[in-house]
Amino acid sequence: GAGVSQSPRYKVAKRGQDVALRCDPISGHVSLFWYQQALGQGPEFLTYFQNEAQLDKSGLPSDRFFAERPEGSVSTLKIQRTQQEDSAVYLCASSFTGDGRPNYGYTFGSGTRLTVV
Amino acid sequence: RKEVEQDPGPFNVPEGATVAFNCTYSNSASQSFFWYRQDCRKEPKLLMSVYSSGNEDGRFTAQLNRASQYISLLIRDSKLSDSATYLCVVRETGFQKLVFGTGTRLLVSP
Repeated sequence: GAGVSQSPRYKVAKRGQDVALRCDPISGHVSLFWYQQALGQGPEFLTYFQNEAQLDKSGLPSDRFFAERPEGSVSTLKIQRTQQEDSAVYLCASSFTGDGRPNYGYTFGSGTRLTVV
Repeated sequence: RKEVEQDPGPFNVPEGATVAFNCTYSNSASQSFFWYRQDCRKEPKLLMSVYSSGNEDGRFTAQLNRASQYISLLIRDSKLSDSATYLCVVRETGFQKLVFGTGTRLLVSP
């Protein structure tokens, strides 16, 4: 597709449930990022992939959060044993460059709004 | 202290007004600078990159002061459609991730 596609758009999970969020980046984009945006806050970095390699996972808040991109295209963010504080919008972004040069902005998907009840 | 700080607003201005947003960043190793726009319940979208010499895109002017670690965005002749949250964003040298401020909310009224 023309843009970054995320699914589902909305997810309601019971506390303790596992969830999986999907991101389909722009075709050919090397870099893929996951961000978490709480209400009234700016996006916070979670993790970064260059192709299939996860080069930075410093933003993952706990070991309940896990991300993968096994074939260098589609990525999945998994949250185990969800807690209420996990409620947020999860944004995926992709970018073409991956060789360390500054890239001038990323394209974000519409996000998945996760509500943990 | 947050790495990127912005006044959350809201800034309420009438149509046609000029409005300026400021942002400070704490990491002197920051390399790239951007302003993103985010509409309610939508994803952030790149508004403009910010260059050391300052740059302009139509009604929007961005300035960077590396010595003071300060970034600004000026919007002239505000339109109703400019109502949104404006996010100040930086990237550190050697890192790919973007660091976002909390955002400044702008409301333009008729």
